[in-house]
Amino acid sequence: DSGVTQTPKHLITATGQRVTLRCSPRSGDLSVYWYQQSLDQGLQFLIQYYNGEERAKGNILERFSAQQFPDLHSELNLSSLELGDSALYFCASSPGVGAGTDTQYFGPGTRLTVL
Amino acid sequence: AQKITQTQPGMFVQEKEAVTLDCTYDTSDPSYGLFWYKQPSSGEMIFLIYQGSYDQQNATEGRYSLNFQKARKSANLVISASQLGDSAMYFCAMTPNYGGATNKLIFGTGTLLAVQP
Repeated sequence: DSGVTQTPKHLITATGQRVTLRCSPRSGDLSVYWYQQSLDQGLQFLIQYYNGEERAKGNILERFSAQQFPDLHSELNLSSLELGDSALYFCASSPGVGAGTDTQYFGPGTRLTVL
Repeated sequence: AQKITQTQPGMFVQEKEAVTLDCTYDTSDPSYGLFWYKQPSSGEMIFLIYQGSYDQQNATEGRYSLNFQKARKSANLVISASQLGDSAMYFCAMTPNYGGATNKLIFGTGTLLAVQP
């Protein structure tokens, strides 16, 4: 158990819909990262938050958005869903101290299926 | 371009033998971090080992060691005494500009390891 929790574990929805994925980081970690894992794109970095502020953006679609709340949990919002958004979405957390070992520990993932 | 290359899509190894999973990386940053993660069929991503670009010695964690050859830009994972539970997908990953504004991970395509009894 990494200490990172993600809900829900599975999500099945229809095209055009909107969903919210939730992540709680390990105790004490300030950084939250979101990654998408799909068969055609592999593992891709989407976005990072550090202590409530957006720190970096990767290949995140405009239909996707995220935020980190004062209690440090994070949510990833996916809207106007398309079939190609079906993937495993991971949240990872790290201390985010910016120096030394800043290992990311991953949650169990949310498997999104868009029908 | 910052990139991780894993050239072995799949590998077999006999139980109790050692196996090396290859990883090469490309970055122009002097400070970077290299990681290996394991993804069993259940789907979770498990951190195995880390190597910093300035570390003089190869990292070791139990049965895992990282063969770091900086000049060749390679960071191969060595698993000693393979066990059936080692069967999984293994990902090499890099954080370029480690300690900078973001420590986002860039992943390779993975190597699927099957341990045979």
